[in-house]
Amino acid sequence: GAGVSQSPRYKVAKRGQDVALRCDPISGHVSLFWYQQALGQGPEFLTYFQNEAQLDKSGLPSDRFFAERPEGSVSTLKIQRTQQEDSAVYLCASSLEPTTAYEQYFGPGTRLTVT
Amino acid sequence: EDQVTQSPEALRLQEGESSSLNCSYTVSGLRGLFWYRQDPGKGPEFLFTLYSAGEEKEKERLKATLTKKESFLHITAPKPEDSATYLCAAAGGSNYKLTFGKGTLLTVNP
Repeated sequence: GAGVSQSPRYKVAKRGQDVALRCDPISGHVSLFWYQQALGQGPEFLTYFQNEAQLDKSGLPSDRFFAERPEGSVSTLKIQRTQQEDSAVYLCASSLEPTTAYEQYFGPGTRLTVT
Repeated sequence: EDQVTQSPEALRLQEGESSSLNCSYTVSGLRGLFWYRQDPGKGPEFLFTLYSAGEEKEKERLKATLTKKESFLHITAPKPEDSATYLCAAAGGSNYKLTFGKGTLLTVNP
């Protein structure tokens, strides 16, 4: 399919472990977003890339969270020294245009459980 | 700070019973108001974008409308397969992020 893909779909980490979550956006999409969705809540913005440039990382909850998109395509969200409060679904979305005025297409998410 | 509030939190309808979901927003310089559908265990699926007050968009049994303060998602003669969480999101000002509401969980009983 031509949609946004994310891997792994499920990740269980022990507290203190590092994790890396991958996002493959729709080919040709300039914008890439990461969101965090807690159970029963709407997605919350984490960070935004336009091509390889990270233009907004205001939503990253702590310096344990790091995201990159080195070649302007695939992106990785890394969480260091995971804590229980990091347990959530992490959603990636991509958009054709470099503006939020255009619709974002979401991947299925990675469900992270920290034990 | 941008805010989006959705009501009700949950709505249970009988098949064929029409209703509306509400999305109130406080956003400086609205650039777009988005509706998404989310099924359990899946990512949000794009439904509509509305750009200015008075705009309406339709898709099958769904119609989205926009005023200066609210958006409504009208569901006409719903079917059980319309059961899902419906999310509203706003893009405002010069920020890149979407601000989402908590969603409305819609259940349509046969």
